[in-house]
Amino acid sequence: EVQLVESGGGLVQPGGSLRLSCSASGFTFGSYTMYWVRQVPGKGLEFVSGITGSGSYTFYADSLKGRFTISRDNSKSTLYLQMSSLGPEDTAVYYCVNLIMPAFYWGQGTLVTVSS
Amino acid sequence: IVLTQSPGTLSLSPGERATLSCRASQSVTDSYLAWYQQRPGQAPRLLIYGASSRATGIPDRFSGSGSGTDFTLTITRVEPEDSAVYHCHQYGSSPWTFGQGTKVEIK
Repeated sequence: EVQLVESGGGLVQPGGSLRLSCSASGFTFGSYTMYWVRQVPGKGLEFVSGITGSGSYTFYADSLKGRFTISRDNSKSTLYLQMSSLGPEDTAVYYCVNLIMPAFYWGQGTLVTVSS
Repeated sequence: IVLTQSPGTLSLSPGERATLSCRASQSVTDSYLAWYQQRPGQAPRLLIYGASSRATGIPDRFSGSGSGTDFTLTITRVEPEDSAVYHCHQYGSSPWTFGQGTKVEIK
């Protein structure tokens, strides 16, 4: 069974940094592109970033302006999202997502709150 | 690709039919269009992928149709547990994009 478990969310001050993690199991982690998607409370879903299975290619939403960095450790079956220069607009639930064709798998999400 | 969902809110009685629309600003590659159900406090749950294929364990009262720029999610005979927000998602072009959601309320 595919399982994705996010962690690392919490309260952070504006301008601060945070690193999210997503622990994966139930599939061959290094064989799949992984993604982060976020959702502002009460709003729609927004693509954040993706990384290929080997980690050699990463891609981001244009709106992030280079503030976020996605990475992975295939030996630990773990996906990361390093977030910096956080602002109130980054307050959201962050989901780890996998596409194992043809189905999508989502974690339960981790809440990031940016506030002073 | 911008996805526009309509209506914003749908209020129905149990047993009625729900028709949700998702319109894309340009053609969705290979009909790579998914639908999710999201209840409060929960992660999105995959209902439909590839525009019309039901995900594992999804009741057959949920069906998806469409191609190109116009897609529809139909719930025949809605039940109280169908009260949720429904999102469409295109994954045929980078970056992925999502609709703004349709809220289904069961009276």
